[in-house]
Amino acid sequence: AQSVTQLGSHVSVSEGALVLLRCNYSSSVPPYLFWYVQYPNQGLQLLLKYTTGATLVKGINGFEAEFKKSETSFHLTKPSAHMSDAAEYFCAVRTSTSGTYKYIFGTGTRLKVLA
Amino acid sequence: SQTIHQWPATLVQPVGSPLSLECTVEGTSNPNLYWYRQAAGRGLQLLFYSVGIGQISSEVPQNLSASRPQDRQFILSSKKLLLSDSGFYLCAWSISGLANTGELFFGEGSRLTVL
Repeated sequence: AQSVTQLGSHVSVSEGALVLLRCNYSSSVPPYLFWYVQYPNQGLQLLLKYTTGATLVKGINGFEAEFKKSETSFHLTKPSAHMSDAAEYFCAVRTSTSGTYKYIFGTGTRLKVLA
Repeated sequence: SQTIHQWPATLVQPVGSPLSLECTVEGTSNPNLYWYRQAAGRGLQLLFYSVGIGQISSEVPQNLSASRPQDRQFILSSKKLLLSDSGFYLCAWSISGLANTGELFFGEGSRLTVL
């Protein structure tokens, strides 16, 4: 069965420092992988996605992620954190059962940016 | 362009009372529809998904039910709420069939507090 593990429920970085949020997945088929961001009391917004092709994926707000099949990882990075990046981040994998797509989410990582 | 609307945004209900959360999608046809619940520290739990009118799949046994009376309308219901039903409920949709681009699109969420 497919699953997603996000290491670290809380991550703190200083403003201007590198952001690294970790995600490992389990999938029996080539995965579709996603990172979403959630601000308080709002829905989830797509940051970026990997489907096929280039393994380094660039998203909105300066974020990027690299699909590493050998490590079953899809870590999210941003070179320089901004105060507005403080939010909760979710990694997800798409699964397929009898032609129906379902999406499995990790438990989330709350990013805190320190001034 | 496609939009998703979810209401009410917040709801405070007594234990044992009924529940109805509604979600509609505009600008697309025959979407795949999903209800998720988000509890603190537990990520997103898939509750129901639907690939067409009247077609509902339940992921976990619980006190809730879902219905899809129209193509772009998805309703989450309960006859008698429990304290454990409190949480943040998110409706989401994806493009169905071969046109699927991979990602889920989320509504703004409904926060339910059961007292």
